[in-house]
Amino acid sequence: EVQLLDSGGGLVQPGGSLRLSCVASGFTFSSYAMNWVRQAPGKGLEWVSGISGSGDSTYYADSVKGRFSISRDNSKNTVSLQMNSLRAEDTALYYCAKRAAEGIYLMGSLNYWGQGTLVIVSS
Amino acid sequence: EIVLTQSPGTLSLSPGDRTTLSCRASQSVIGNYLAWYQQKPGQAPRLLIYSASSRAAGIPDRFSGSGSGTDFTLTISRLEPEDFAVYYCQQYGTSPQTFGQGTRLEIK
Repeated sequence: EVQLLDSGGGLVQPGGSLRLSCVASGFTFSSYAMNWVRQAPGKGLEWVSGISGSGDSTYYADSVKGRFSISRDNSKNTVSLQMNSLRAEDTALYYCAKRAAEGIYLMGSLNYWGQGTLVIVSS
Repeated sequence: EIVLTQSPGTLSLSPGDRTTLSCRASQSVIGNYLAWYQQKPGQAPRLLIYSASSRAAGIPDRFSGSGSGTDFTLTISRLEPEDFAVYYCQQYGTSPQTFGQGTRLEIK
């Protein structure tokens, strides 16, 4: 059974940093691109960042480029999102999500999602 | 980036009804790489349809997707009580992948 367990959210002041983690199980982790998608309270879904199965390729939404960094450790089946210079508008529930199709491409439909971890940026 | 516009914003229907949700892209979706998701309150999104018309594993056949280019639809042939939720489309043919703003399907 595929499982994604998100963690690391919390309350942080504007300008602060936070590191989110997602531990995966139930599939060959290194074969799949992973993504972070966020959802502000009462709002829709916003894709944030993605990383290839090997970790060689990453990409970011313009709204977080230069502030967030995605990485993965295939030996620990973990993908992380380092978030720096946080702003009030980054307040959201952050989901890690697995690309449905195996392979080298980053983009794709997302067939498994974590339960989400809540990030609140406020003074 | 490709903007996806979903319509209507909210639909009020009854169990047993048939419905069609629309997703229109600001430019052509490469490869018809368009997906549909269902999200219920307090839950993560669930993949329903990928590549515009292929049902994901375990999705009932009352859900179907169609369309190409810039116009896509999700059809639910006969609404069940558990289908009342928010539905999102996503395009993943052009970077950055983007989501529509969602259509809320509520019980009339």
